[in-house]
Amino acid sequence: NAGVTQTPKFQVLKTGQSMTLQCAQDMNHNSMYWYRQDPGMGLRLIYYSASEGTTDKGEVPNGYNVSRLNKREFSLRLESAAPSQTSVYFCASSYGVARTVQETQYFGPGTRLLVL
Amino acid sequence: AQSVSQHNHHVILSEAASLELGCNYSYGGTVNLFWYVQYPGQHLQLLLKYFSGDPLVKGIKGFEAEFIKSKFSFNLRKPSVQWSDTAEYFCAVNAGNAGNMLTFGGGTRLMVKP
Repeated sequence: NAGVTQTPKFQVLKTGQSMTLQCAQDMNHNSMYWYRQDPGMGLRLIYYSASEGTTDKGEVPNGYNVSRLNKREFSLRLESAAPSQTSVYFCASSYGVARTVQETQYFGPGTRLLVL
Repeated sequence: AQSVSQHNHHVILSEAASLELGCNYSYGGTVNLFWYVQYPGQHLQLLLKYFSGDPLVKGIKGFEAEFIKSKFSFNLRKPSVQWSDTAEYFCAVNAGNAGNMLTFGGGTRLMVKP
């Protein structure tokens, strides 16, 4: 039982390049999330998927797209990377049966992204 | 939209000192409250959570937090810190009308000197 896994661990991009961050969970969770963590700002929600087949914008969605490939996997894509997207990206998941019930979110190890 | 404030950005304590980290939120309705911890080089882990019932919540590693509704606060406490408590601590809030979304505070970096 690996929990939440993310790839890659580190990535350096040049401005304008694209890349996809991968996330997978093996806990049979319904809901998955992408956050970015910046110094002094805590974690900010980029996108989330309450259940397979649905995605919704979070607090800071601009410049990102997501795909809920199946129940296990939720990817985050940067189509044209910008230096402002330099950050640590965390994927999380929760059981999330009902939208009004907040379950504990479990986090992956993070991806450190540097955009030059 | 709700917001979460952690007023202490950096805290330095000696071992055995008592700890209290502040957390205030802005939403006036029903909330679910969390404290997460991020040890150096590791990912976020849940420390404790409050959904309902007793406002004094006990978590792992001797941590506790008290929900004071009238003050919109959920402060984290530990009577005696250890060097291994050095980490960054995040308060998070889920407002009753926000589905599964969490709003995080900016974090507090705690350094415990041996």
